[in-house]
Amino acid sequence: EAQVTQNPRYLITVTGKKLTVTCSQNMNHEYMSWYRQDPGLGLRQIYYSMNVEVTDKGDVPEGYKVSRKEKRNFPLILESPSPNQTSLYFCASSLLGGGKERQYFGPGTRLTVL
Amino acid sequence: AQSVTQPDIHITVSEGASLELRCNYSYGATPYLFWYVQSPGQGLQLLLKYFSGDTLVQGIKGFEAEFKRSQSSFNLRKPSVHWSDAAEYFCAVGSGYSTLTFGKGTMLLVSP
Repeated sequence: EAQVTQNPRYLITVTGKKLTVTCSQNMNHEYMSWYRQDPGLGLRQIYYSMNVEVTDKGDVPEGYKVSRKEKRNFPLILESPSPNQTSLYFCASSLLGGGKERQYFGPGTRLTVL
Repeated sequence: AQSVTQPDIHITVSEGASLELRCNYSYGATPYLFWYVQSPGQGLQLLLKYFSGDTLVQGIKGFEAEFKRSQSSFNLRKPSVHWSDAAEYFCAVGSGYSTLTFGKGTMLLVSP
């Protein structure tokens, strides 16, 4: 089954404690991205990756890091989380180039930073 | 910079009535346009997308959208709304799936 998985689904942590949210896809997609969703703000792109070792900033990259060492995985790293990073996070993947292929979203990770 | 405006934060429609959700965009080139739906507690599902060609795009669940370049709009329509359509709807613009910019969403409420 084609899917994007994220772990953990829910996380409560404290300010400054490094954390990683994993994202994995099984469709051999080149493109992967991370979004955060906040009430009244919609989804905002954090980082995206066009392929292995190719990453770029989205609209709200401050306080986040990513890596793309393997095609299937695109972890989101918060080196020193702060309360303003409390949000719902989505990972997505797709083939590049547009056209008839679709984009797949993960189920989301709800993060609370105290 | 690209941007998306969804003027309506909430819309209430009676079940069986027609629906139109508005989306206006700002983009420097020919845009790729998308509509997504998010049911409560769920992830996002792509309803339809416009990349090129016919400006009237058919999507899943009976939805359609029309790209109007002169009005910078990509409104979503459905002729008859079902209670299961109650959800939040997001319009997005970008160059393919990369660098997508989303609108803030429109919450659709369906009344009996």
